[in-house]
Amino acid sequence: NAGVTQTPKFRVLKTGQSMTLLCAQDMNHEYMYWYRQDPGMGLRLIHYSVGEGTTAKGEVPDGYNVSRLKKQNFLLGLESAAPSQTSVYFCASSYAGGNQPQHFGDGTRLSIL
Amino acid sequence: RKEVEQDPGPFNVPEGATVAFNCTYSNSASQSFFWYRQDCRKEPKLLMSVYSSGNEDGRFTAQLNRASQYISLLIRDSKLSDSATYLCVVNEWHTGNQFYFGTGTSLTVIP
Repeated sequence: NAGVTQTPKFRVLKTGQSMTLLCAQDMNHEYMYWYRQDPGMGLRLIHYSVGEGTTAKGEVPDGYNVSRLKKQNFLLGLESAAPSQTSVYFCASSYAGGNQPQHFGDGTRLSIL
Repeated sequence: RKEVEQDPGPFNVPEGATVAFNCTYSNSASQSFFWYRQDCRKEPKLLMSVYSSGNEDGRFTAQLNRASQYISLLIRDSKLSDSATYLCVVNEWHTGNQFYFGTGTSLTVIP
């Protein structure tokens, strides 16, 4: 059982380049989330989705776009990467309803030069 | 004011010690509560959910005080393998099922 899988694991970009991070879950979860984690800041929500075809902004959405065309996949896009987007990105998913915890992928380490 | 606040520590305790972490949350409408564990450069992993009546899982005990809006985690008989960062997490599932994370409390168990 793979759970939540993120690709790629590591990436180095130059300022202005674009890229897409892929998150895939095989648990039939309705909800999916993208977070970034920076030292001393904790996890901050970028965007999330409550179901296929839906997306919503989180706490720090600027500079990112997302899409959820299939229930099992949640894509995070950086249109024009900036050094401030250097971070560790985590994807998570959960069932709908109360008291359902999130399950995390193992992260993508992204450096923008 | 942050949604969830934790003492960042670090807590350095000897093996076998008992250690407790507290966490406060700001939104009284919060509905679900969890403790996660995060090892260095790894993803957060669920340690335990926190139920209103309190709950125990082996050496770990979680308590919830809704009136004071705080959550606690007690670790008894600390092991070296307990060294990690512990994240307090609050869920508001009526508002899009968003999760709010504390910045974490660092624990190092010393031989």
